[in-house]
Formats: sequence, structure tokens, C-alpha cells
Amino acid sequence: GAGVSQSPSNKVTEKGKDVELRCDPISGHTALYWYRQSLGQGLEFLIYFQGNSAPDKSGLPSDRFSAERTGGSVSTLTIQRTQQEDSAVYLCASSTGQGAYGYTFGSGTRLTVV
Amino acid sequence: GIQVEQSPPDLILQEGANSTLRCNFSDSVNNLQWFHQNPWGQLINLFYIPSGTKQNGRLSATTVATERYSLLYISSSQTTDSGVYFCAVYGNKLVFGAGTILRVKS
Repeated sequence: GAGVSQSPSNKVTEKGKDVELRCDPISGHTALYWYRQSLGQGLEFLIYFQGNSAPDKSGLPSDRFSAERTGGSVSTLTIQRTQQEDSAVYLCASSTGQGAYGYTFGSGTRLTVV
Repeated sequence: GIQVEQSPPDLILQEGANSTLRCNFSDSVNNLQWFHQNPWGQLINLFYIPSGTKQNGRLSATTVATERYSLLYISSSQTTDSGVYFCAVYGNKLVFGAGTILRVKS
């Protein structure tokens, strides 16, 4: 597609439920990143996929968070047993490769855990 | 890991004024980017500038890699420039600074 597409744009869930957030990167972009932005804060790195390499999961805050990328394209970020502190905007970005010019961000998914 | 510090943390300008935002980083980097996050949350890539100077309209940026800093200049500011400006550097992943909140008043 023309840009990075994320869905849903907004998600309200009850504490303890699981949620799945989707990212559809720009066609041909081999690198895909997930970041989290809490209210009034900067962007916190979560996970990075590059081609067929093992993902860099060093930013995942707990084992309740996981992500996969199928067929080198669409990615799903899953949060199990959501907690109120998980409330944030989850942003996805893609680029043509490691460190390459042209990081493009999606519009994000605003997650609210009540 | 790489540390990225931005200053000032927030800035209020009168429309038409100029401003300089600063980004300091703690280690050698392969890539430095400036982003603008508009009031609706969308992040827009402004500059990819690992070194040197680039200009795009009223915006320009300079990175002095050997001294580990980058500057973003905004001239003749407009209300649409309001938002948060992030500097991000790439070691093995893109690490963001905390941002500068800019408010341009008409």
C-alpha cells in the first residue's frame, strides 16, 4: 500500500483480556518495527523484524507481549492479560532495511485498558 | 545503549519567530532522523541527516557527527509547526529522544 496501515485505530479492552494489534507495512519494506508511546512520553522501542532474521525482541516489557510477522509482510502484536499500564499508543514503522533512510510510521493504535 | 537528549523540552513561539532545537547523542551513529509528530499523533519524517546540512523550505538541519549533536532550525514559524519534534538515532535500532514540544501562537 501507499503507507503503513495499522488496525484498529482505537481499542478499549477490559483488564485481563488479550488484544491483537495489526500492522501492514509498505510493500517491499523488509524492516518492521513496533514502538509504544505512553501519554506525553517519547517512543519506546518494542521489537524489530528484518527480513528472515530472528527478530530483536529486546524492548518487549514482559512475557505478556509477543509479536510475529507472517510472510515477511503483515505483523501482529499480541498483548495477553492486559493491564492498565499497557494503555498507550502502539506505533508501527517500516523501512527498506536496517538503518535505511525512510522510516515511515503508521497512525498507531490507541489502546485503553479499563 | 545509546542515549539521546533533546533540548529544550518545550518551547512557545510567536508566529513568525525562528527557533533552534538541539539533539545530543552519546555514541557514534549510522543514521540520525528528525520527526515531527502533529497534534493528531502522526509521525512525519523530516530529515535523514547522519552528517552535514540539509534544507527543506523553512526547515533545515545540521548534524556534526564528530561532536555528537544535531540541530533543527525552524524559520518564520507557523501555527502548523506546532507539535512534538523528535530526534532519533540508529545504532542497531532507532532510539528516540524525549522530544521538544513546540507551540506556535498566532
